[in-house]
Amino acid sequence: QVQLQESGPGLVKPSETLSLTCTVSGASINNYYWSWIRQPPGKGLEWIAYVYNSGTTDYSPSLKSRVTVSVDTSKSQFSLKMTSVTTADTAVYYCARLWFGELKFDFWGQGALVTVSS
Amino acid sequence: DIQMTQSPSSLSASIGDRVTITCRASQSISNHLNWYQQKRGKAPQVLIYAASYLESGVPSRFSGSRSGTDFTLTISSLQPEDFATYYCQQSYSSPITFGQGTRLEIK
Repeated sequence: QVQLQESGPGLVKPSETLSLTCTVSGASINNYYWSWIRQPPGKGLEWIAYVYNSGTTDYSPSLKSRVTVSVDTSKSQFSLKMTSVTTADTAVYYCARLWFGELKFDFWGQGALVTVSS
Repeated sequence: DIQMTQSPSSLSASIGDRVTITCRASQSISNHLNWYQQKRGKAPQVLIYAASYLESGVPSRFSGSRSGTDFTLTISSLQPEDFATYYCQQSYSSPITFGQGTRLEIK
């Protein structure tokens, strides 16, 4: 069974950089697409980006200028960095596998709440 | 960006009811539409992919259909564990977008 686990600071100050890592187990990180999705408290889902082990990436245009995603195949991890955060970036951040056949998110992490506050 | 509009935003129903949730795309997305269920405090889980294909392990009371740019998720007979929020997601073009969600509550 594929399992994903997010890790990183739960509190980030405004204007600083949010950094999260997702550790993948139960499947090779190679040859799949991996994605980040967020959900502000009480609100809906927002896709952030995806990354493939070859370095192929795609970003939401609304976040592209502030976001970088990358893969470390040696650690079976992929990461999210978001710069210049504001309180609007407070959300539960999910990592997920993106099955590229149908572009469905078939496995998800449990989610990590990141609060942006001074 | 392709906008996905779900209706209704919330819905009250009883155990055993047949329930339909609709998702409308702002342009043609062929059948590139997935449905998710999210229970409170949990990550979403895919129910239906490519508009009408049941994800492995999902009960057969869930089904999906398409008519043009309108997509429907149907639950044939509501069970207690089905009370949750449902989201549609288009995978036709980037950026991937979700509907705003439909909250299904117990009547």
